[in-house]
Amino acid sequence: KNEVEQSPQNLTAQEGEFITINCSYSVGISALHWLQQHPGGGIVSLFMLSSGKKKHGRLIATINIQEKHSSLHITASHPRDSAVYICADRNFGNEKLTFGTGTRLTIIP
Amino acid sequence: DVKVTQSSRYLVKRTGEKVFLECVQDMDHENMFWYRQDPGLGLRLIYFSYDVKMKEKGDIPEGYSVSREKKERFSLILESASTNQTSMYLCASTFNTEAFFGQGTRLTVV
Repeated sequence: KNEVEQSPQNLTAQEGEFITINCSYSVGISALHWLQQHPGGGIVSLFMLSSGKKKHGRLIATINIQEKHSSLHITASHPRDSAVYICADRNFGNEKLTFGTGTRLTIIP
Repeated sequence: DVKVTQSSRYLVKRTGEKVFLECVQDMDHENMFWYRQDPGLGLRLIYFSYDVKMKEKGDIPEGYSVSREKKERFSLILESASTNQTSMYLCASTFNTEAFFGQGTRLTVV
């Protein structure tokens, strides 16, 4: 059974700090997603990765297929980055997503 | 922009009521999903559908049913709502490796 684990569960940091959130999965995947959920519930897809690294503004996502590990980095963090960040993977030949339990990030001004 | 729209943001229902949660996507996606999200448990799959009139159970289908009469609409039905179905419900659709989510429906059963 595929399992997705995230760490840390909660993270509080000062504005401007460099943030790293980690995600590990147990079986081979076809794609890994990083999602952002603000208070109120709506989920936004940040990245979809199958290899390497992607960057969008201050957000960077990396994946190491051999180690079954992905990281989400936020540079120059800002209070508006405060949200729950969720990783989810999709296995080969399977449309279903398996989700981590999320990392609650709080950035203090 | 792809849009996945859920019919309600907040809903309060009484125990025993039949509840319909509606999800519509406007990009002709074949795959649609219903999840519930609870603190400490993350997102868990209730039901999914690969095409019109096709449905498959997810990990926690008990107490729920679904309907997909048209490609763009996937409905989640609580036949007889119970307090343990109080949760955040999220609809999603996928295309290739992209995934799109609705804004969520927070359901409270009293």
